[in-house]
Amino acid sequence: GNSVTQMEGPVTLSEEAFLTINCTYTATGYPSLFWYVQYPGEGLQLLLKATKADDKGSNKGFEATYRKETTSFHLEKGSVQVSDSAVYFCALNAGNNRKLIWGLGTSLAVNP
Amino acid sequence: DTAVSQTPKYLVTQMGNDKSIKCEQNLGHDTMYWYKQDSKKFLKIMFSYNNKELIINETVPNRFSPKSPDKAHLNLHINSLELGDSAVYFCASSLGTYRLFYEQYFGPGTRLTVT
Repeated sequence: GNSVTQMEGPVTLSEEAFLTINCTYTATGYPSLFWYVQYPGEGLQLLLKATKADDKGSNKGFEATYRKETTSFHLEKGSVQVSDSAVYFCALNAGNNRKLIWGLGTSLAVNP
Repeated sequence: DTAVSQTPKYLVTQMGNDKSIKCEQNLGHDTMYWYKQDSKKFLKIMFSYNNKELIINETVPNRFSPKSPDKAHLNLHINSLELGDSAVYFCASSLGTYRLFYEQYFGPGTRLTVT
């Protein structure tokens, strides 16, 4: 079946450090891939997405590339800020069961 | 303009009570969802409606009953509340269940505490 595996958190970084949060997936067909972010006390919001192999999604300095050969969609940011402290969720939509498949979430804390 | 709104934001109640959570979206979407998020941030889909038709009904206790009076509204009624129902409940909406690339828009959540 379809599944998403994210690296476990929490991840703690200093401001301006480089961020990578790993996400790998298992899916039939050609899924769309998403990163959502949940800031403290809020609902989830879409951060970026990619709908086909080799697509790169980007937003707010974050990037992720849809790698079909490694079934990965790792989230990266070159220089994190304190305001990036949040929980990040990787998700996929393979369409065959009408729902998003979610990773467990990775908590990120950025210290000044 | 609030896209997906939920009421109430906080709900504190005792075991055995019955409570409802309401959700409304003004995005013109045709699909709405209920999620449960536990204290470890694990996100679990509970239900989904497309044009008022129930299309996802995950394994949840039958004490939980969703209802969608129209495309813009989705309510969740919970009977005989238990301690384990304490969680944050999120409503979400999207445009079309068959479009793989359409994202979901989430409400701010309802934090339910059962004492």
